[in-house]
Amino acid sequence: NAGVTQTPKFQVLKTGQSMTLQCAQDMNHEYMSWYRQDPGMGLRLIHYSVGAGITDQGEVPNGYNVSRSTTEDFPLRLLSAAPSQTSVYFCASSYSGGGYEQYFGPGTRLTVT
Amino acid sequence: GQQLNQSPQSMFIQEGEDVSMNCTSSSIFNTWLWYKQDPGEGPVLLIALYKAGELTSNGRLTAQFGTTRKDSFLNISASIPSDVGIYFCAGAYSGGGADGLTFGKGTHLIIQP
Repeated sequence: NAGVTQTPKFQVLKTGQSMTLQCAQDMNHEYMSWYRQDPGMGLRLIHYSVGAGITDQGEVPNGYNVSRSTTEDFPLRLLSAAPSQTSVYFCASSYSGGGYEQYFGPGTRLTVT
Repeated sequence: GQQLNQSPQSMFIQEGEDVSMNCTSSSIFNTWLWYKQDPGEGPVLLIALYKAGELTSNGRLTAQFGTTRKDSFLNISASIPSDVGIYFCAGAYSGGGADGLTFGKGTHLIIQP
C-alpha cells in the first residue's frame, strides 16, 4: 500500500495562474479531505468529500475547487492563484469519516509570487 | 468555529525526561487525535481517542480523553532524540464525517543533548 500520495512535492506559480494538486489513496477510503498549513495557524480544512460524486466546503474554501469522480482520487484546483495561497497543502483520507482517524499524504509546498 | 488551545507552544527538554502537553477546546468533542509531524513530512497519527475518560498508550506515548470532553493530554516518557518534532492535537464533534478535524497549533518539542 502506498497510502496517500500527492504530486507535485513543490510548485511555484505566478499570480493569476491556475493549477491542480493531485491526491490519490489506495486504501479504499470513502472520506478524503484537503488541508492547508500555514505558520502559526495549524492545519485548516479546505474541502472534503464523503464519497465519489460528493464534495463540500470546509473552513477556508475560497479560491479552491474540488471534484471526486473516483474513490481513489481527490484533486484540488486553484482557479487563479494569489500570494495568500502560498502554503503547504495536505491531502488526507479516512475509512469512516472526517471525525475519525485521518491519514495524511506528504504534502505539496506551493509558492505564489 | 471551534477553537483548540494547545500548550505549551514549545518545549526544550533533556533526553530521558518525561514530556506532557495538552489541548483544551471551547466546545465538546467526540474524538481526540494526536499527530506528530517531522520537517517536510505530513502528520502521522499517534493515538486516537473516542470515549470520554479513555486512556490509551502507544509505546512510550500515553494520551487521555478528558472527562469533560473539552480537553486531552499527551505524555511521552523517557524522551529520545527521534521524539523531536511538532505534536498536534485534533478534535472532531461529528463522527459521521461532516466537519473534519479541528487542529491545535502544535507543540514544538526540542531535545537538548
